[in-house]
Amino acid sequence: EAGVAQSPRYKIIEKRQSVAFWCNPISGHATLYWYQQILGQGPKLLIQFQNNGVVDDSQLPKDRFSAERLKGVDSTLKIQPAKLEDSAVYLCASSPGQGLSGNEQFFGPGTRLTVL
Amino acid sequence: AQTVTQSQPEMSVQEAETVTLSCTYDTSENNYYLFWYKQPPSRQMILVIRQEAYKQQNATENRFSVNFQKAAKSFSLKISDSQLGDTAMYFCALGSSNTGKLIFGQGTTLQVKP
Repeated sequence: EAGVAQSPRYKIIEKRQSVAFWCNPISGHATLYWYQQILGQGPKLLIQFQNNGVVDDSQLPKDRFSAERLKGVDSTLKIQPAKLEDSAVYLCASSPGQGLSGNEQFFGPGTRLTVL
Repeated sequence: AQTVTQSQPEMSVQEAETVTLSCTYDTSENNYYLFWYKQPPSRQMILVIRQEAYKQQNATENRFSVNFQKAAKSFSLKISDSQLGDTAMYFCALGSSNTGKLIFGQGTTLQVKP
């Protein structure tokens, strides 16, 4: 079974530029999560999708971050414009359902973003 | 608010010995799950072990076991017979039973020495 795929794996941009990350979850997984992991810290949830609907985006900086999951499958996370403090690893995870009973979150390899 | 605290930023253990990683948490929910995740250097996060809060019996997975103290809101991970491949960052996480949202601790870097 293929795992969660993310691209690109690495990205270096200048501040104020735009960047987009792509995630393809495990086939059949209804729930998709985007996390931000700053160096030396634990991941922090940015946004959670159930199929193509947003369940939780309370910690997404909506003035500069946006995310979509148009057909309920793959997802794109965008930052526009980027700031220095956005340097982090962006992790995508997916799970079969929304709750935790019988579900497990599977993580992708992440995209490491460096903002100069 | 839900919080997860890992008070040990770094730990080391000799190969074949036992090590315990600590985690405390706070939540107002009655139905929740607790997890330990492993993140090897430059590799992706994988689940080590999970514990349902309503279960009194501590979870075990081969060399990995937990000590779940619900009243004290403590959830420690014991790794027995440590192996070099156990070298990684370990994250404790609290999960909402309904939404699946995970709250992670700051992580503990574990070094297994030969």
